[in-house]
Amino acid sequence: GAVVSQHPSRVICKSGTSVKIECRSLDFQATTMFWYRQFPKKSLMLMATSNEGSKATYEQGVEKDKFLINHASLTLSTLTVTSAHPEDSSFYICSAPGRGDTEAFFGQGTRLTVV
Amino acid sequence: AQSVTQLGSHVSVSEGALVLLRCNYSSSVPPYLFWYVQYPNQGLQLLLKYTTGATLVKGINGFEAEFKKSETSFHLTKPSAHMSDAAEYFCAVTFTGNYGQNFVFGPGTRLSVLP
Repeated sequence: GAVVSQHPSRVICKSGTSVKIECRSLDFQATTMFWYRQFPKKSLMLMATSNEGSKATYEQGVEKDKFLINHASLTLSTLTVTSAHPEDSSFYICSAPGRGDTEAFFGQGTRLTVV
Repeated sequence: AQSVTQLGSHVSVSEGALVLLRCNYSSSVPPYLFWYVQYPNQGLQLLLKYTTGATLVKGINGFEAEFKKSETSFHLTKPSAHMSDAAEYFCAVTFTGNYGQNFVFGPGTRLSVLP
């Protein structure tokens, strides 16, 4: 079946640095990918929709300059957390729509810890 | 707009007992409904989904869910809990024609299985 690979699975970074998270569709092309964030003991909240070859669409309240999304190819979307702060620590997960009218395929998620 | 509620943020059952995790949704269009499981520090794994057709849906690991339109519910059940079922469970909704695109997740229910 379709697979979405997300890397890294865990990352610890110092406050003020930037972290890039990659989301790859391994055996299919994804013109659209979704980025979610999961706060501790909370559900997943859609952050943004990345579109291959165009600007990402951000949900209300998500800082575009802090969470940079790039979708440069049909198989890769990246989320860069810029100037990370401890409050950015969270679980980030990406997904890509399935073929046809089906469910999305989720990556494994990235646990970001900013110290 | 769509929304999902899950009654009970934490449910505890004894091993071998019935598991019942509740999910209610709100949608102005025919919904697609999903249950995902998340083990600690892992991504989302699809348990089952309802799109069209039979309202009783069987998934992996012995789980099943029934779509009840009149009650706007999609409760998840398993006849006999196993220790390995301990995890976080998320109900999610998208809608017909959205082609698997962005999901609305419920807040999640943490299932504990007691020996």
